[in-house]
Amino acid sequence: AQSVAQPEDQVNVAEGNPLTVKCTYSVSGNPYLFWYVQYPNRGLQFLLKYITGDNLVKGSYGFEAEFNKSQTSFHLKKPSALVSDSALYFCAVRGERAAGNKLTFGGGTRVLVKP
Amino acid sequence: EAGVAQSPRYKIIEKRQSVAFWCNPISGHATLYWYQQILGQGPKLLIQFQNNGVVDDSQLPKDRFSAERLKGVDSTLKIQPAKLEDSAVYLCASSLLRGEAFFGQGTRLTVV
Repeated sequence: AQSVAQPEDQVNVAEGNPLTVKCTYSVSGNPYLFWYVQYPNRGLQFLLKYITGDNLVKGSYGFEAEFNKSQTSFHLKKPSALVSDSALYFCAVRGERAAGNKLTFGGGTRVLVKP
Repeated sequence: EAGVAQSPRYKIIEKRQSVAFWCNPISGHATLYWYQQILGQGPKLLIQFQNNGVVDDSQLPKDRFSAERLKGVDSTLKIQPAKLEDSAVYLCASSLLRGEAFFGQGTRLTVV
């Protein structure tokens, strides 16, 4: 069964410092990987995805993520965090061979950026 | 481009009552998902449709939850009878076959 792990419940970072949110996955075949952000009382907003190609993908709002096949990881990064980046972040995966292309989410990581 | 539409936004019901949620996906998206998100947790997939066929409903409590996708477009999710533990946000999403999913605003259900 496919799964996603986000090992940190919360990440605290000072504004202007680099931000990293960790994600590891388990899936059959090649993975399709996604990051979403959720603000209070809002739905999930798509940030970026990895399907194939360059291991470093760039997305919305200055976020990027690095795919590492050997470590089965897809960590989200931002070089300089803003207070407005404070939100809940979710990693998701679907497997190339997964029946029905099921989309599975991790438990989420709360990011708090302090001024 | 219009996004995923869900209604209602909020619903309060008593336990043992029934409730239904409606979702209209993005035009042309063959895949439609219903997720349950309990406060502070990640979304849990309840059911996934490909056009009007079910491709995964392994985590759908079938004794009380049901879902259908009419003509491969709109979808409804029903709970009957509701339990206290069903209090959550119900998220609908849609996507192309292997693309990113786009989410609606969700329906916050409170069962009292």
